[in-house]
This record gives sequence, structure tokens and C-alpha cells, in this order.
Amino acid sequence: DVVLTQSPLSLPVTLGQPASISCRSSQSLGYSDRNFDFNWFQQRPGQSPRRLIYKASNRDSGVPDRFSGSGSGTDFTLKISRVEADDVGIYYCMQGTHWPITFGQGTRLEIE
Amino acid sequence: QVQLEQSGTEVKQPGASVKVSCKASGYTFSDYGISWVRQAPGLGLEWVGWINNKNGDTNSARKVQGRISLTTDTSSSTTYLELRSLKSDDTAIYYCARDSKSSSSLGYFDLWGRGSLVIVSS
Repeated sequence: DVVLTQSPLSLPVTLGQPASISCRSSQSLGYSDRNFDFNWFQQRPGQSPRRLIYKASNRDSGVPDRFSGSGSGTDFTLKISRVEADDVGIYYCMQGTHWPITFGQGTRLEIE
Repeated sequence: QVQLEQSGTEVKQPGASVKVSCKASGYTFSDYGISWVRQAPGLGLEWVGWINNKNGDTNSARKVQGRISLTTDTSSSTTYLELRSLKSDDTAIYYCARDSKSSSSLGYFDLWGRGSLVIVSS
């Protein structure tokens, strides 16, 4: 199975500062000439996951433009340009290119 | 509005079976599939299985194969997950999520239910 390794696992951030989460895949998920199935999700405390970014770099409707996704192959990144209090939660990467669907371990973002 | 409504909490003994439901509304049910994703207490997300709501094709994770049944009732736009021979490590919140209806392109997950808590305990 494809293993997705996120770093860091814990991310304390000061309000208004940027944040970045890395997700590394044990197998290539594809490159820019393919639509590969790689998403980022946010799970706020006590809530269901919510998709933020699909196909690595496409922001979902209603997601603030502070969030951006990039990457291809085995290396992917989620960036938040200016962290707000509402961003507290756990962030997961996910791949659906190779069966079975797998998720990263999650990165817990907290406000310092 | 577009939503997935899930059934409530279930408490089962080890070895029993559980069936949870996921009712879709606000979109054309048969244009999509449904995946099930579970989250054990305090842990991460684990994909469990998928069903094509149009033709009933299914796919499931190795860990639950042989114990899982995924079915769909198009007349009520409801998808069901049944898990048999329950073990303590099946204790989790089970989420349904809207997915592709193509088994070669899974993980769409643009819409999630609120989750159904399944507790397996003697």
C-alpha cells in the first residue's frame, strides 16, 4: 500500500504567520500531465473532515485563498499564507491514485 | 441542500454485526459512489470500502474483506455498510463520503456525513 508521511505531525503557529505541511508518498502519484487523485482535508475539533484541495492544487469552493496546494510525483505541500484561529484542527493528505486509498497520519495545527 | 445524513450510535458485543446507513439528498444519487472512512478514537482516517450507487459494484479494504457488505437502495438514495464478526478494534466513527462512481478514480470525498459511532464492547 502507498504510505503517505506527513511532516510535521504537530504545528504550533502564531496568528497571522504562514504554515506549511509536507506529505511524502512512498510511490509516485503522477506528474503534471496527469490528473492524479491527491487531496488535502481539514478536520476541525469534533467535526467531520472537509476537503480543502483536490488534485493536489485545486481549491474547493468556499475555501479561503489563504490555502494553497502544490506538488507532484512523491512530494506535496499544503500552505496557509496567514493562519487564523479558525484553522485549528488536524490536516490530512490522501491519495486515491493507487488502490487502496490511503491517508497521511495527520498534522495537528495549533495556535501558539 | 446537498447532504449525507447518517444513522446514530450503535453499541455491539464482540462477534455481533452492525449496519449503518447514509442517506443522500440534494444531488443525483446514481451519478456518484459512496466511500466509507472510519476513525478510531483519537486516531487518523482509514478507508474501509466503496460502492457504485448506479450498478452496485463494490471494493473494500483488505482488513475488512470477508466481513463487510456494502449495499445501496436507489429508491431511498441510501447506502448501507454492514460489518460482521465485530472486534474491539472496529470501534470507530464511520463516515460516509461522496465519491466517484468509477473504481479507477476513487477518493473524491467532496461531501461527508457527520459520522456514525460504533462501539464494540462486552
